[in-house]
This record gives sequence, C-alpha cells and structure tokens, in this order.
Amino acid sequence: GDSVTQMEGPVTLSEEAFLTINCTYTATGYPSLFWYVQYPGEGLQLLLKATKADDKGSNKGFEATYRKETTSFHLEKGSVQVSDSAVYFCALKWRSASKIIFGSGTRLSIRP
Amino acid sequence: GAVVSQHPSRVICKSGTSVKIECRSLDFQATTMFWYRQFPKKSLMLMATSNEGSKATYEQGVEKDKFLINHASLTLSTLTVTSAHPEDSSFYICSALVGQANTEAFFGQGTRLTVV
Repeated sequence: GDSVTQMEGPVTLSEEAFLTINCTYTATGYPSLFWYVQYPGEGLQLLLKATKADDKGSNKGFEATYRKETTSFHLEKGSVQVSDSAVYFCALKWRSASKIIFGSGTRLSIRP
Repeated sequence: GAVVSQHPSRVICKSGTSVKIECRSLDFQATTMFWYRQFPKKSLMLMATSNEGSKATYEQGVEKDKFLINHASLTLSTLTVTSAHPEDSSFYICSALVGQANTEAFFGQGTRLTVV
C-alpha cells in the first residue's frame, strides 16, 4: 500500500546550518505531497505542498521539490533558526481520497 | 488559511470519567473531519473519519464505543472518550479538508488528555 518514509530523528543542528530532511514515498500515480510542522504543544500546520511532478513548494525559507523519478520530497532550508525547532511530517494525499498518509515525523532541534 | 479550533487544549480527568473534545471549523463548513491520536514522539494515527449527519467511520483497531464521535453540524465535530483510563492519555488532534476537491487539510491545535 501507499506509505511515506522519513529520516529518523532527532536532528540537531547549529543555527544558520543547512537543513535536509529526507522523505520518500511509495505510491502508484501522482499523489499530492505535503510537509507539515508541529511546534511544541501544538497541532500541525501546513508548511508547504506540491501537487505534481517537478513542482517546488516553498514557505518560510523551506523548500521541497516533487521528484517523481526518485519518489522523493526532501525538505531543505539554507539557514535554520532556533525558531525552526519542531517536528516535521512528510505526508501524501490522493486528490480523490480524504485520508492523509503521514510519515513518522522528524524532530529538529536547533542550537543557538 | 482556514481555521480549525479545538477545545480544550488541555484536560486532566479521573479514571472512569468521560471527556468531550470539540473541533470547530471557524470560517468554513466541513462535511468531513478527522480525529487523530498522537503518541509521544510518534506519528499521527488516524482514529476515525467524522461525517456530518451520519455515523463516523472508524479505523481498524479503534473502539467505537470508547471513542464516540458526533458530527451534528457542518462546523462542529466532537470526540468523547468514555470511561477513560490512563492508557487513553494522549494528544488528540482533529482536522478538516478544505479547498477545491478537498485537497488541503487544516488541523486543530490539539488536546492533551491526561487520565489520572
């Protein structure tokens, strides 16, 4: 069945470091792909999304490109801040379906 | 973006009591809402799909008599944890789909339930 695999955390970086959080998916066809962020004690917020191959989603300095050939949607940011410390979830959803399939989440901690 | 409001954000209850969690769509109508449970340092587990005006659809392994879901209006779904036990302590999150063809999900801020 469809699934999403994320790199295991926690990931700890220094402020201004480059961030990559890997995400790959297993699905037939072209689902929409998402990154959600969960700050401590809060629900999930949509960070960015891409709905078709080669689309690039971006928001708050974060980017992810929908790569059909590698079935990946890696999250990147050129210079992280302490305020980026959170748990990040990669997810996929079919346009015709209501269910969202989440990855296991990656906890990111940024040191000042 | 759309706003989904969840209440309460935190609740502590005694074993054996029931707790109701509300999920409201504030600026849109949601015929379908979802309830998730999140264990510490784990991903979200979909518990059930709440359908306005009809019975909820529960995922395999989720006790429908323990987790009662009611979706009586287009802006409100409730999750009631009945006869709560300490193992029910968790973070519960609701969400609703919005946008053309329901392509985007918005989430409530979550409810931390602690059963003592």
